[in-house]
Amino acid sequence: ELKVEQNPLFLSMQEGKNYTIYCNYSTTSDRLYWYRQDPGKSLESLFVLLSNGAVKQEGRLMASLDTKARLSTLHITAAVHDLSATYFCAVDSYGQNFVFGPGTRLSVLP
Amino acid sequence: EPEVTQTPSHQVTQMGQEVILRCVPISNHLYFYWYRQILGQKVEFLVSFYNNEISEKSEIFDDQFSVERPDGSNFTLKIRSTKLEDSAMYFCASSAWTGGKNIQYFGAGTRLSVL
Repeated sequence: ELKVEQNPLFLSMQEGKNYTIYCNYSTTSDRLYWYRQDPGKSLESLFVLLSNGAVKQEGRLMASLDTKARLSTLHITAAVHDLSATYFCAVDSYGQNFVFGPGTRLSVLP
Repeated sequence: EPEVTQTPSHQVTQMGQEVILRCVPISNHLYFYWYRQILGQKVEFLVSFYNNEISEKSEIFDDQFSVERPDGSNFTLKIRSTKLEDSAMYFCASSAWTGGKNIQYFGAGTRLSVL
């Protein structure tokens, strides 16, 4: 059974600082997705990582995938308040459904 | 930009009642999904649907649940006899599965409150 873990689960950081969120998964997969969820809202697709070594960047967020280590990272550079949200990674293990991690609730403080 | 739409946004029901949650997937998508999220918890897969039949379902998706695509546009989730623990946010998603990518686009969700 595929299990997906994230850490930290809660992250409070100052504006302007850098931090990394980690996503580990338990079985072989080379398809990993990052989503953002604002409180009470739906899930917004951020990144799609489809191969070992894949790196994608959008603004202050950069995601990478290491399929050998079964690890994806979401790096935040010079955080701003607008990045406050819950971030989920989801793994697609050659089926059709996603297995989501528990989410990392990020609060960026002024 | 095309989007997945869900109705209603909030449904309140009494325990034991039947509810139908409705979704209109993105029009050229062929794969449809239902997920649920209990307040403050992670998103859990319920069921996927392709070619007019269920392709995968989770342990949560028991006999109380059913899905249907009654016409060319709607995709529904029915809960026959709701329980208190069915209270959650229910998300519909659809995807096109192109180029090896299964980017699932999520609707805004239906908040189900079972009293």
